[in-house]
Amino acid sequence: DIVLTQSPGTLSLSPGERATLSCRASQSVSSNYLAWYQQKPGQAPRLLIYGASSRATGIPDRFSGSGSETDFTLTISRLEPEDFAVYYCQQYGRLVTFGGGTKVEIK
Amino acid sequence: EVQLVESGGDLVEPGGSLRLSCEASGFIFINSGMSWVRQAPGKGLEWVSSIGDGRGETYHADSVTARFAISRDNSKSTLYLQMNSLRAEDTAVYYCTKGGLTDFQYWGHGTLVIVSS
Repeated sequence: DIVLTQSPGTLSLSPGERATLSCRASQSVSSNYLAWYQQKPGQAPRLLIYGASSRATGIPDRFSGSGSETDFTLTISRLEPEDFAVYYCQQYGRLVTFGGGTKVEIK
Repeated sequence: EVQLVESGGDLVEPGGSLRLSCEASGFIFINSGMSWVRQAPGKGLEWVSSIGDGRGETYHADSVTARFAISRDNSKSTLYLQMNSLRAEDTAVYYCTKGGLTDFQYWGHGTLVIVSS
């Protein structure tokens, strides 16, 4: 199984700041089959990024994904109040696994 | 508009069984793989099972293999998850998602399964 490790566990930032979230895979993720999700309390996850760097429909361009093989990054260029949430990475190159999540909280 | 509506969640005793359902609409169900993803209270997301389109090859996480079975009824546009030999650690919100071994753009609202005596 491919294990995904997300860091940091919690990111404390202010609105307007830049957020950089990391997702590291235990093995290379084939074809960059890596996605990112946002989840708010009491809600289902929302797809942000697929294929490591493609934004899903309706996702603002302040969200961007990058990386390849075993190291991936989600960047939120300028945090808006609605961006404070938990973020998960997911690989679907070999079955499916999720990372443990990064909570982005208001500083 | 894609809609996924889960049902069947309940309180069940350890060792018991439960069948979850997910009614799909807004897309051609037979052409889409489908999956179940769960989330234990206060924890992260865990992929459970996926089924391919059409008659559907099935895949399960190691944690549920031999206890859970995913299936589909294309005539009813409905996805199922048969859960047997339930354990306390199976307590979670179970989400139905559109897509097999892929990214998941569409999610249901989830159904809560509690395994407790």
